[in-house]
Amino acid sequence: QAVVTQEPSLTVSPGGTVTLTCGSSSGDVTSGHFPYWFQQKPGQAPRALIYNLNNKHSWTPVRFSGSLLGGKAALTLSGAQPEDEAEYYCLLSYSGAHVFGGGTKLTVL
Amino acid sequence: VQLVESGGGLVKPGGSLTLSCAASGFSFSSYDMNWVRQAPGKGLEWVSSISGGGSYIGNADSFKGRFTISRDNAKNSLYLRIDSLRVEDTAVYYCVSGGSGYSPPFAYWGQGTLVSVSS
Repeated sequence: QAVVTQEPSLTVSPGGTVTLTCGSSSGDVTSGHFPYWFQQKPGQAPRALIYNLNNKHSWTPVRFSGSLLGGKAALTLSGAQPEDEAEYYCLLSYSGAHVFGGGTKLTVL
Repeated sequence: VQLVESGGGLVKPGGSLTLSCAASGFSFSSYDMNWVRQAPGKGLEWVSSISGGGSYIGNADSFKGRFTISRDNAKNSLYLRIDSLRVEDTAVYYCVSGGSGYSPPFAYWGQGTLVSVSS
């Protein structure tokens, strides 16, 4: 089973831009892994942000976007808000099996 | 869409437990469904998925053998049976929607039910 890697922590200034990445031990991440991104705040269930690499849910703020970057899936936050401080998880699919990354703790400071 | 888990609680090591998820607000039988767990202070782990009709089941390698997913479409309910519980199974277990023709996978999450395994 593949291991999915994320940055343990990142910091962004209010109004700034930050990119979180999601890599796979099995090689380059592609659209065929259907990358997903989730946001989780303390004491809450995760909330879906991005599916199938770059598609937003109806509730996803426009400042979040998904892409591929250097062989990894990427989540870019443009114009960070204080309420964006949270843990972010990516999820990759491998022929019907799914693997979460370890999460990135994003601080807005 | 609403997903409400139940069945968690304090269980002794070696015991068994069945978690339930009551679904409402959508055509349950049209959706694949998933269980995802999160140990205290840890990350998310995908446990298992089941197709809308129940004929296809997938499990993460770490969860093969002791974890059994099932569903009852007549009752709009999803289940997860965990056998031979271990201390390391202590976690919040989330019921999560899978894919359908109407929605992508992992869009909707329940609030979770806490399973604590301790002697």
